[in-house]
Amino acid sequence: QKEVEQNSGPLSVPEGAIASLNCTYSDRGSQSFFWYRQYSGKSPELIMSIYSNGDKEDGRFTAQLNKASQYVSLLIRDSQPSDSATYLCAVNLGGDGANNLFFGTGTRLTVIP
Amino acid sequence: GAVVSQHPSRVICKSGTSVKIECRSLDFQATTMFWYRQFPKQSLMLMATSNEGSKATYEQGVEKDKFLINHASLTLSTLTVTSAHPEDSSFYICSARDFQGREQYFGPGTRLTVT
Repeated sequence: QKEVEQNSGPLSVPEGAIASLNCTYSDRGSQSFFWYRQYSGKSPELIMSIYSNGDKEDGRFTAQLNKASQYVSLLIRDSQPSDSATYLCAVNLGGDGANNLFFGTGTRLTVIP
Repeated sequence: GAVVSQHPSRVICKSGTSVKIECRSLDFQATTMFWYRQFPKQSLMLMATSNEGSKATYEQGVEKDKFLINHASLTLSTLTVTSAHPEDSSFYICSARDFQGREQYFGPGTRLTVT
């Protein structure tokens, strides 16, 4: 079983719609969860971090965490073509701190104008 | 936000030569730095973790004698690919974390091509 799993996609949504990206993880003791955006040929950029159950909103982005279900998601409201990228879910497995950060394989999002 | 730089951004070298990549934290002290490798259409693969002033911890399958990592200061880590071969061609990315933070910030990456 993979430690961090994401639907590889591709996920296509029309401009202005809500994009929903999902991620599950294997270690119930995980404490830190991150979403990174990676444009083609570029390095990952941290867009959201979440540590507690519930929702965390930052602009058009909302991260949702459910530790009981071992599930973390990212919602992008009012999707824009510039949001087209690969979104990587990263989880600190086995404890706090950013060591032992495991990445999912990423979900490729395309926002259609 | 935290800024991490890498140099060079792109390098082409001949097989058998060595290449050094620098990773710098510009506006914070990075007690821990990480080196990743990413092949086309694949996810990030952690190569090693380095803490300032101590030896790097390499992931399973990563040859420590081939990928030399030095983290001599709180703002600089270097990765040297020794005796590079074409199969070492990849996108090498560093990230950094300060001792209080839980977040990792990535450098812009170095694209290595070995001919």
